[in-house]
Amino acid sequence: DTAVSQTPKYLVTQMGNDKSIKCEQNLGHDTMYWYKQDSKKFLKIMFSYNNKELIINETVPNRFSPKSPDKAHLNLHINSLELGDSAVYFCASSHDLGVGEQFFGPGTRLTVL
Amino acid sequence: AQSVSQHNHHVILSEAASLELGCNYSYGGTVNLFWYVQYPGQHLQLLLKYFSGDPLVKGIKGFEAEFIKSKFSFNLRKPSVQWSDTAEYFCAVNARTGGFKTIFGAGTRLFVKA
Repeated sequence: DTAVSQTPKYLVTQMGNDKSIKCEQNLGHDTMYWYKQDSKKFLKIMFSYNNKELIINETVPNRFSPKSPDKAHLNLHINSLELGDSAVYFCASSHDLGVGEQFFGPGTRLTVL
Repeated sequence: AQSVSQHNHHVILSEAASLELGCNYSYGGTVNLFWYVQYPGQHLQLLLKYFSGDPLVKGIKGFEAEFIKSKFSFNLRKPSVQWSDTAEYFCAVNARTGGFKTIFGAGTRLFVKA
């Protein structure tokens, strides 16, 4: 009964490929997020959705496209992968728009070769 | 713009030593404050949070943090660390108005020697 789950856990792919990461939360939260954690552990917000509506879109290349089919899911699709996209991507959720604590998924380690 | 600054990037302590990790933020309005911990190979978990009330908050595993509004600080403390406290610690701030963004500090890597 994992609260926030992500698949896959590891993703190794070639430059130029397109890949997706899925995220699901069973906490009944309204808000979901995607974060990128680089090799120095710096955690940066990418997107935030509230009730399936995009709220935050931080200067992320448009190769990254989030999709929220319902408020329990927030998927991340990445086109034309580049070496610099290698990182750990964390999904998170919170009860409301960012003011409360966030619950994080286990992360997806993306390696672009 | 909001920012969060964690003073120490790497801290090495022996078991039973006391810990204090600094966190300062820049935002003039009302904030919610958090400390998260990331154990090796794991996801972030909440250690403690401050929304209002008593500025000294207690979290899990013996951690506490003190909010000092005049210093824009929210330092994390533990009187006696254990080897199992080895992890990355992140301070985070959310302004209650505008943006709805939680800003994370760069993290402090704590290594506790057994």
